[in-house]
Amino acid sequence: DIQMTQSPSSLSASVGDRVTITCQASQDINKSLNWFQQKPGKAPKLLIYGASNLETGVPSRFSGSGSGTDFTLSISSLQPEDFATYYCQRYDNPFTFGPGTKVDMK
Amino acid sequence: EVQLVESGGGLVQPGGSLRLSCTTSGFTFSTFDMHWVRQATGKGLEWVSAIGIVDDTYYPGSVKGRFTISRDNARNSLYLQMNSLRAEDTAVYYCARGIRWSWGRGTLVTVSS
Repeated sequence: DIQMTQSPSSLSASVGDRVTITCQASQDINKSLNWFQQKPGKAPKLLIYGASNLETGVPSRFSGSGSGTDFTLSISSLQPEDFATYYCQRYDNPFTFGPGTKVDMK
Repeated sequence: EVQLVESGGGLVQPGGSLRLSCTTSGFTFSTFDMHWVRQATGKGLEWVSAIGIVDDTYYPGSVKGRFTISRDNARNSLYLQMNSLRAEDTAVYYCARGIRWSWGRGTLVTVSS
């Protein structure tokens, strides 16, 4: 089975910082990748689909890139509401999630 | 507005069974793949099952043979039959619509004696 890894597992940042999270697939998954944001006690929310497509209503400070095995989620200028956990996911069978990256306040 | 509402969670003994339901609205249910995803307290997301638009089903090894996903397009509803439950199945179970994923709020399943 294809494994998804993320780095870092956690990071501390300040409002206004640029944040970058990476996701790696153990095999080529083309661009079949979602990024989700999850806040405590809430359901995940789709940010990026197809590796680089911004979901409707998601602020443009979020962006995704990559294809094949290496992917990146970037937040250009971190806002207070962005402190959360971020997950990548391969959207083909098996629909494996990465282990998550927790972004907290420095 | 897309809405997904899970129900059927609760406390069940190890070895027991439970059936989760997910009622949906705001989209053409029959044209979307549907999923169940779970999350144990303090842990990450784990994909549990998927069903396609032609009733093709998919499971990870952790639940294969114990869980069964199904759908009723006439009722815009998704189901998850869970048998032979184990303590490690304790989690919040989310229903999700595939493609441009949308999620319900989840229902808590606790497996304990």
